[in-house]
Amino acid sequence: AQSVTQLDSQVPVFEEAPVELRCNYSSSVSVYLFWYVQYPNQGLQLLLKYLSGSTLVKGINGFEAEFNKSQTSFHLRKPSVHISDTAEYFCAVKDTGRRALTFGSGTRLQVQP
Amino acid sequence: DSGVTQTPKHLITATGQRVTLRCSPRSGDLSVYWYQQSLDQGLQFLIQYYNGEERAKGNILERFSAQQFPDLHSELNLSSLELGDSALYFCASSVVGGVVPDTQYFGPGTRLTVL
Repeated sequence: AQSVTQLDSQVPVFEEAPVELRCNYSSSVSVYLFWYVQYPNQGLQLLLKYLSGSTLVKGINGFEAEFNKSQTSFHLRKPSVHISDTAEYFCAVKDTGRRALTFGSGTRLQVQP
Repeated sequence: DSGVTQTPKHLITATGQRVTLRCSPRSGDLSVYWYQQSLDQGLQFLIQYYNGEERAKGNILERFSAQQFPDLHSELNLSSLELGDSALYFCASSVVGGVVPDTQYFGPGTRLTVL
């Protein structure tokens, strides 16, 4: 069975500081990995995804993530955050045998001025 | 705007009642997914339809059912509602929705409150 662990439920950070949101997954087969963002009172929006190839994936809004197979991780990073990045971020996994995504519990990023 | 629409935005009802949530996928998308987001369970996959047929089932209760119509819109029916069914229900759509993932685009959700 596949599962996703987001280690931090909340991450407070000051504006223009770097941030890393952690995600670890568990699966017995090859996986595809995703990061979604949910702004207040909105649906989920895809930030980036890893399907294959380069382990460093670049997404929208200046975010990037690195797939590390040996550590079963897919951490999300941004070198300099803005107030507008305040949102809930969800890591999701889909293994090669399934059709649906399994989501982590989410990390609330709070960017302070 | 993802192109996925969901109605209604909010729904307040009483225990024991039945409700129907509606989703219209993006133009050209054949797959529709339903997810439930609650404080205690997080975001959970309920069910997927592809071109009118059920393709995958997740943690969907027997009191819940869904269908996808010939025009590709989908409805999620929730019956014998309990307090614990209060949640945000999302619909997502994708072009195909096979084992090789295409991007799922999410609607804004329907917030269901059961009193």
